[in-house]
Amino acid sequence: GENVEQHPSTLSVQEGDSAVIKCTYSDSASNYFPWYKQELGKGPQLIIDIRSNVGEKKDQRIAVTLNKTAKHFSLHITETQPEDSAVYFCAAHDYKLSFGAGTTVTVRA
Amino acid sequence: ETGVTQTPRHLVMGMTNKKSLKCEQHLGHNAMYWYKQSAKKPLELMFVYNFKEQTENNSVPSRFSPECPNSSHLFLHLHTLQPEDSALYLCASSQDSNLGYGYTFGSGTRLTVV
Repeated sequence: GENVEQHPSTLSVQEGDSAVIKCTYSDSASNYFPWYKQELGKGPQLIIDIRSNVGEKKDQRIAVTLNKTAKHFSLHITETQPEDSAVYFCAAHDYKLSFGAGTTVTVRA
Repeated sequence: ETGVTQTPRHLVMGMTNKKSLKCEQHLGHNAMYWYKQSAKKPLELMFVYNFKEQTENNSVPSRFSPECPNSSHLFLHLHTLQPEDSALYLCASSQDSNLGYGYTFGSGTRLTVV
């Protein structure tokens, strides 16, 4: 089955700086890669996703890149704000969705 | 609210108790899922129902028993749990479990087994 590894497990950034979270996956058949944000007391919410036929996707301050050859994908958050503080999960879908262990992001004011 | 409602939000139960978690969605989705979320670990898929049929049981102990009476409701019946079963239990739904996209999660039930 699919194995998704996520790094780092914690990330502290100064407000206004960028944050980068990296994930690797094992199954070359995976073709869909979503990112979820989980705030305290809430369930994960989809923030951006990318399909295997696309290398990069951007939505305002959030971007995701995918390298299928290397089997890794990354989340980039620019101009971080305090409300970006949360736990972020990457996931990969082959025949089911497999999640990384999460990254706790803290944005310091 | 995301469209997926879980009750109760918090539950404390003894190891000999029987309790049930409830999940409800009115998004018109046909697939529903139970996940277990423990600290510092990936979300762990427990059960999948697609069009009311169970399609995945991820080697979950029999002390967890799912029930899906219709596409909008999902239950997780709990009995004789262990302290290590304490976790956040998340329900999710999507249009079709064969598709990886369009998952909507509930806010979870925080379960503590004493």
